[in-house]
Amino acid sequence: GAVVSQHPSRVICKSGTSVKIECRSLDFQATTMFWYRQFPKKSLMLMATSNEGSKATYEQGVEKDKFLINHASLTLSTLTVTSAHPEDSSFYICSARGAQTVHEQFFGPGTRLTVL
Amino acid sequence: AQSVAQPEDQVNVAEGNPLTVKCTYSVSGNPYLFWYVQYPNRGLQFLLKYITGDNLVKGSYGFEAEFNKSQTSFHLKKPSALVSDSALYFCAVRGNNAGNMLTFGGGTRLMVKP
Repeated sequence: GAVVSQHPSRVICKSGTSVKIECRSLDFQATTMFWYRQFPKKSLMLMATSNEGSKATYEQGVEKDKFLINHASLTLSTLTVTSAHPEDSSFYICSARGAQTVHEQFFGPGTRLTVL
Repeated sequence: AQSVAQPEDQVNVAEGNPLTVKCTYSVSGNPYLFWYVQYPNRGLQFLLKYITGDNLVKGSYGFEAEFNKSQTSFHLKKPSALVSDSALYFCAVRGNNAGNMLTFGGGTRLMVKP
């Protein structure tokens, strides 16, 4: 099946710094990528949807200036958490969907962000 | 708006016994239904999907699910549980419009005891 990778798998940063998380589709072209946030023992909350070459569409309540999403190519999307604070600590999961796999989304392994 | 309900936060079952994890959904039009499994500190792993066709869908690791349109349900089942099946399970649905987003249920923790 299609593979999606995320880097880093785990990151610890100081409050006020910015952190970039990369999401790559390894063996298919991801026309659409999704970013989710998951709190402990909770379900996935969709943060934003991005289509290659266009601006991301953010879900209600998600600050677009804080969570910068770039989908510059068909295999790479990045999520940058700007001026991170402890409340941004969470598990972030990306997902990708290709033109040939419109019915399915393939998920990355997730990134654990801890802000001190 | 589409939604998914997983009524049980946790399901406990003894190893070797059959297991069922419940899921009901609400969506406009024909549903596309999915089950995913998540192990600690990992992303979601795809188990199975229903798009069209036979109502009984077989997936990975011996899991299966039955699509029941009248009851709007898509319960996950396995005839004989393994301790290694212990994980968090998510049911998800999207409508058959290509732009529709995937909506997840709240998740059910499956605990299989030896």
